[in-house]
Parts: sequence; C-alpha cells; structure tokens
Amino acid sequence: AQTVTQSQPEMSVQEAETVTLSCTYDTSESDYYLFWYKQPPSRQMILVIRQEAYKQQNATENRFSVNFQKAAKSFSLKISDSQLGDAAMYFCAYRREGGATNKLIFGTGTLLAVQP
Amino acid sequence: DTEVTQTPKHLVMGMTNKKSLKCEQHMGHRAMYWYKQKAKKPPELMFVYSYEKLSINESVPSRFSPECPNSSLLNLHLHALQPEDSALYLCASSPLSFPNTEAFFGQGTRLTVV
Repeated sequence: AQTVTQSQPEMSVQEAETVTLSCTYDTSESDYYLFWYKQPPSRQMILVIRQEAYKQQNATENRFSVNFQKAAKSFSLKISDSQLGDAAMYFCAYRREGGATNKLIFGTGTLLAVQP
Repeated sequence: DTEVTQTPKHLVMGMTNKKSLKCEQHMGHRAMYWYKQKAKKPPELMFVYSYEKLSINESVPSRFSPECPNSSLLNLHLHALQPEDSALYLCASSPLSFPNTEAFFGQGTRLTVV
C-alpha cells in the first residue's frame, strides 16, 4: 500500500524568506502523480503544484517549486519570498497512474506560519 | 468556471434528523468525490463516483448515502448520525482524461451533530 509521510507537523518562516516543507512517500508503482495542496483557514483545498513521476524536471509555479527525487521517494516543496497569505496547512498527496478515480493519498500535513 | 460549490457551508443537526449536503461543478469533470476531514487531519476518502456511478465506497456506514443525479451534481444524504460524525465534509471533482488528474475541491460543509 502507498503511504505519504510529512515529518514536520509545524513550520514557521519570516515574511520574504524561503521555507522548505518535506514529504516522503512509499510506493512500488513507477507511474504516479504527486501534489501539494494548501488549505487556508477558509477551508478550501487549493492545488499548489503537481509533479508527474515520469518527468525528471522539477515542477515550478511562480514562488513555489519542488525538489522531486524519485529514487529517494522524496517530494519537498520550496516556497520563496514567503507572504502572509501563504500561512496555511500544506498537504502532500500521491495518486497512482491508471485513472483519476484512483484515490488521493494524503500526508498528515504541515502547518505553516508566516511571521511579519 | 473552475469552482466546486458546496451547500450549505454550515449545518447543525440532531441525531434523529435527515439532511443532505449538496455539491455542484460545471467543469465537465466526470469523477466526483466525498471526503471527511477532522480538525488538523488530512481528508479521508468516503466515496468516488465515475460517470455518475459509484465506483469506490471506503466502507462508509450506511447512515451516509451518496447520490449522483447527473454529471454536475453530487449529494450526500445524512440520517441518524452520531456526534463523532461531526467534521468538515469536502466535495471534489476531477477529469477522467489523461493527463489532467488533479482534484478541485469545494470549501466544504462544516457539520455538527448534536
């Protein structure tokens, strides 16, 4: 069975600084997708970034980038120039290839605080 | 329109009540999901509908009854709930065609069972 582990229950960063959130996963599949979702106090889960396992290039979305290490089964999220609006719970998630009805498996989350 | 809309946003119900949660999307997604989320925990999958047919039921108690009347609507009917069922209920949808696989989530319904 696939598992996703986020070892940092809470993190804190100063505004304008950079922070990295860790995620590791376990799978025997070779084709899969990895996601970072953000859940602010408004409750809505918002997709931050997506990585396809077959792509060697790390995904980037503006201030958000990932360090995807397939052999190490590691998928960390780097937030650059942190802003107050980045404060939220961040969930790493895994979905295997083979159809969108394959369920998302979430990590336990990292609560990020941004200090002004 | 990239929204998943859930109503109501808040619901308080007694253990003998019957209520329904509603979810709507107009993105043409043919997979729709119900998740349950307790405070400071990740979402837990409850049900998956694919092409309006139930494809996954994660051993959810029968007091939760899902329904997908058409490709845009997803309901969750609630009956005889327990206080431990109090949680945030999230609806999500996603395309079924490669390579788009991310799920879009609604804002959830905060359910309190008294």
